[in-house]
Amino acid sequence: EPEVTQTPSHQVTQMGQEVILRCVPISNHLYFYWYRQILGQKVEFLVSFYNNEISEKSEIFDDQFSVERPDGSNFTLKIRSTKLEDSAMYFCASGGTLSYEQYFGPGTRLTVT
Amino acid sequence: GENVEQHPSTLSVQEGDSAVIKCTYSDSASNYFPWYKQELGKGPQLIIDIRSNVGEKKDQRIAVTLNKTAKHFSLHITETQPEDSAVYFCAAQKNRDDKIIFGKGTRLHILP
Repeated sequence: EPEVTQTPSHQVTQMGQEVILRCVPISNHLYFYWYRQILGQKVEFLVSFYNNEISEKSEIFDDQFSVERPDGSNFTLKIRSTKLEDSAMYFCASGGTLSYEQYFGPGTRLTVT
Repeated sequence: GENVEQHPSTLSVQEGDSAVIKCTYSDSASNYFPWYKQELGKGPQLIIDIRSNVGEKKDQRIAVTLNKTAKHFSLHITETQPEDSAVYFCAAQKNRDDKIIFGKGTRLHILP
């Protein structure tokens, strides 16, 4: 069964550093998303992406964040200058055109020290 | 703004008993209500969903009900088993490509 994959599984970085989280969505999907989950809290929407542009972004997704689909298979989330409060689990999701379902990857745990 | 409330935050049931998780949503434009199960260290996995034009849906031991007028929806798990222990999230979505709005989650413990 096709699945969304994410790398790395765990990323530790120092405050102020840039990080790039990588995702490979399901191959025939056209809609891509990033969500995050701070430890013990609910999953929150960050950004959606379709047709090589951002469809919607939340208040969390400020100028420090960017997304890119550089090569038709990868979907990346970049945080330019990490803050302590960016520590969270980041989930990538993708969706097709035939159903409402979004398929989630296993997540990347980002720890900012 | 858009919001999904979920209760209870923690639920413990004896193995074999039923578990019920309840949610309410605020945006009347919501059309799709998925339920996700999250096991430790993994991403949310869809277990069942319901569209706004349907009042109830069942899949083996899992059922969902939707009251669109009251903006309530519920997850029912019957004959609970140890592998049902996990965090369950209800969610709401408007259109096919829209963001998902999640509830805060319910940690379900199945007691032996």
